[in-house]
Order: sequence, then structure tokens, then C-alpha cells
Amino acid sequence: QKEVEQDPGPLSVPEGAIVSLNCTYSNSAFQYFMWYRQYSRKGPELLMYTYSSGNKEDGRFTAQVDKSSKYISLFIRDSQPSDSATYLCAMSAVGTGRRALTFGSGTRLQVQP
Amino acid sequence: SAVISQKPSRDICQRGTSLTIQCQVDSQVTMMFWYRQQPGQSLTLIATANQGSEATYESGFVIDKFPISRPNLTFSTLTVSNMSPEDSSIYLCSVGSITTADTQYFGPGTRLTVL
Repeated sequence: QKEVEQDPGPLSVPEGAIVSLNCTYSNSAFQYFMWYRQYSRKGPELLMYTYSSGNKEDGRFTAQVDKSSKYISLFIRDSQPSDSATYLCAMSAVGTGRRALTFGSGTRLQVQP
Repeated sequence: SAVISQKPSRDICQRGTSLTIQCQVDSQVTMMFWYRQQPGQSLTLIATANQGSEATYESGFVIDKFPISRPNLTFSTLTVSNMSPEDSSIYLCSVGSITTADTQYFGPGTRLTVL
């Protein structure tokens, strides 16, 4: 079993829809949770960063962490064609020293105009 | 966030040869990492590039195959040695944030194809 599970998609939605992207994890030591967006042929771009449980909002993006369920989500409101990309969740544990990230496999999102 | 550049952006190489990938950051950073992203796959950490000492490799990756240098706090290289088609991947360097723990920013990647 992988430490981080993420549905690979592809997920296709119409423009303006609310998108929900999710990851589950098994390592209870994970404390830092991140979402990256990766456009085709580009490096991952950090979108959201959350420490421990709770919600964080940034414009059209909301990240949620439920540590009791080992489940994290990224919501995109009013989705745009420019949001079409692969979304990667990533996490790390406190005190690893190396600050290594463990990634999900990524969900490919297509927003149709 | 730091601005990270990688050279080359892409290359096509012959089996058995080696390629050195450069990663340059516009500010001094403590942590630098090298990842591999195989086609359709997620990112896998190859090693942590330590300034002034040998890199720390993840399970399944060895120094003879992926030698890494880190001569200062803004630069690192990853060499892919004795390449085979299975080494065809995107290679990404990342840097650890100096303001936020356990957050990393990525370079644009080097797309390597081995024939």
C-alpha cells in the first residue's frame, strides 16, 4: 500500500464548476500538507500549504485537512480552463530533518470551456 | 519564493552515455533535493544534496548511478550515468523554503529521453 493515495483521474468538469480533489494517507506522522499544480512540461508549482488540521483559503482555492480521517482535500471554486493541470498532493512529517516530501500520484483535471 | 533554473531543459541521449543536469537558485538555500518523475508517474525523491558533504540517497538510488555535487548554497548538479531507456524521465530539483518549514519549490525540470 502506498503511503499517499490519490485518484489519478482524469477529472473533466465544465467551466464554473466546483472541483474537489482528494488524497488519503496512512502515515500518522505527517504534519505538513501541500498541494502543487503542474502544467504539462512544467515543474510543480506550490498552490497551498497547511500545517496540521483545519482549513485554509486563498482566492478560489480552499485546502482542508482532516488528520483524524487521514484525508486532505483541495476545492477549486468557479473553475477556469486555465485550471486544467495535474494536481499533486504532498506531505511530510515533523522532525524528519531531511524535509523530504511524499507525493500522491497526481489527479489530472480538465476544465471544459 | 526562490527562482530556480535548470539546464538543460531537455536532452536526447544514447544508451551508455552520461548527462549532467545543473540546478541554479537565485538565493542561498539550506536544502536542495533531486526528484525523478517517470512518464505518467508522481515524483520520487532521488537524494538530498548536502552542501560540503556527500548526498543522502533514497532507497533504490545509488551514488555510482546518480552522483550529485553541491559546491555552494545556490548550485547543485545531478549526473545520470551509464544511461538506459529506463532512465527516460523528468528530473527536477527543488529547494527547501527558508521561511516555511517542510515546503519545497521546484525548478522547471529536465526532460531526458534515452534511446
